Amino acid sequence: GENVEQHPSTLSVQEGDSAVIKCTYSDSASNYFPWYKQELGKGPQLIIDIRSNVGEKKDQRIAVTLNKTAKHFSLHITETQPEDSAVYFCAASIRGGSQGNLIFGKGTKLSVKP
Amino acid sequence: DGGITQSPKYLFRKEGQNVTLSCEQNLNHDAMYWYRQDPGQGLRLIYYSQIVNDFQKGDIAEGYSVSREKKESFPLTVTSAQKNPTAFYLCASSDRAGSDTQYFGPGTRLTVL
Repeated sequence: GENVEQHPSTLSVQEGDSAVIKCTYSDSASNYFPWYKQELGKGPQLIIDIRSNVGEKKDQRIAVTLNKTAKHFSLHITETQPEDSAVYFCAASIRGGSQGNLIFGKGTKLSVKP
Repeated sequence: DGGITQSPKYLFRKEGQNVTLSCEQNLNHDAMYWYRQDPGQGLRLIYYSQIVNDFQKGDIAEGYSVSREKKESFPLTVTSAQKNPTAFYLCASSDRAGSDTQYFGPGTRLTVL
């Protein structure tokens, strides 16, 4: 089955710097890759996602890139702000699959220092 | 106000007791899911349901049970057979099974005393 590896597990940056989180997946059939942000004590919130027919997607300060050949995808946050501090999870799934469930990475705790 | 609600936010249980966690959605979604989250871990799938009156086991179903009698409700029971039930439990839903975008509720933190 699918396996998703996420790195780094913790990331500390200065406010205004960029942050990059990387994930690799094992199942070449995976074709949907969402990113979730989870604040302490809350449920994960979808922040951006990408499908396998697209190489890059941007939404204001957030971007995601996908390399299908290498089977990895990355989250890029530019001009980081203290409110970006949270745990970020990547996930992968096979759209249209019988289960429709997501396989998650173990998360990256991002700390943005003022 | 549309979304997914979970209750209670915090739950305490004595060893040997069953406990039921509530999950309700008013998004008219067909599919619903239960995940377990442990510190420093990703989310692991317990059970999922693609349609009313049907559900399947996920990766860690042992010690848990679910029902799906109504489209908007998917309660999870943590039974005494679950050896390590203390965790953060998250419910999610998606428009339909195979529709990949899942939306999560706020979670229930279960602590076994």
